[in-house]
Amino acid sequence: EVQLVESGGGLVQPGGSLRLSCAASGFTFSSYWMHWVRQAPGKGLVWVSRINTDGSTTSYADSVKGRFTISRDNAKNTLYLQMNSLRAEDTAVYYCSRKTAGTSPYYFDSWGQGTLVTVSS
Amino acid sequence: DIQMTQSPSSLSASVGDRVTITCRASQTISNYLNWYQQKPGKAPNLLIYAASSLQSGVPSRFSGSGSGTDFTLTVSSLQPEDFATYYCQQSYTTPWTFGQGTAVEF
Repeated sequence: EVQLVESGGGLVQPGGSLRLSCAASGFTFSSYWMHWVRQAPGKGLVWVSRINTDGSTTSYADSVKGRFTISRDNAKNTLYLQMNSLRAEDTAVYYCSRKTAGTSPYYFDSWGQGTLVTVSS
Repeated sequence: DIQMTQSPSSLSASVGDRVTITCRASQTISNYLNWYQQKPGKAPNLLIYAASSLQSGVPSRFSGSGSGTDFTLTVSSLQPEDFATYYCQQSYTTPWTFGQGTAVEF
């Protein structure tokens, strides 16, 4: 069974940093592109970042570019999101998600349960 | 970025109703359109991928159609467990963007 379990969320002051983790199991982690998607309280889903299978290619939403860094450790089956210079508007539940492998069209076929990040003084 | 616009933003329905949600892309996305269902406090769950393909395990009362810029999600006979928020999402180009969501309520 595919499982994605996020951790690392919490309360942080504006300007602070946090690192989220997403532990993957039940599939060959190194074969899949992985993404982070966030959802502010009471709002919709917003794509944040993605990383390819070996970590050599990454992309970011404009709203987090230069502040967030996505990475992965395929030996540990874990995806990360390093978040620096946090702002109040980064407050959200952060989901890791798996992009389906194979041919396009692509979609997110698995999601974690999410971890809440609250940026407040 | 490709903008995804859903309508309506919310709707009231009853068990047994036929419900249709529309999603419009700001530029053509072929069939690179997916639909997700989200219940309060839970992660999204894939319903439809590639505009019209039903994800394994999803009830057949859900269906999707469309291509290019205009897409629809239809629930043929609404069940109590279908009261949720539905999102469309394009995977044609990065950044993958979502619609604002459609809340299906009593």
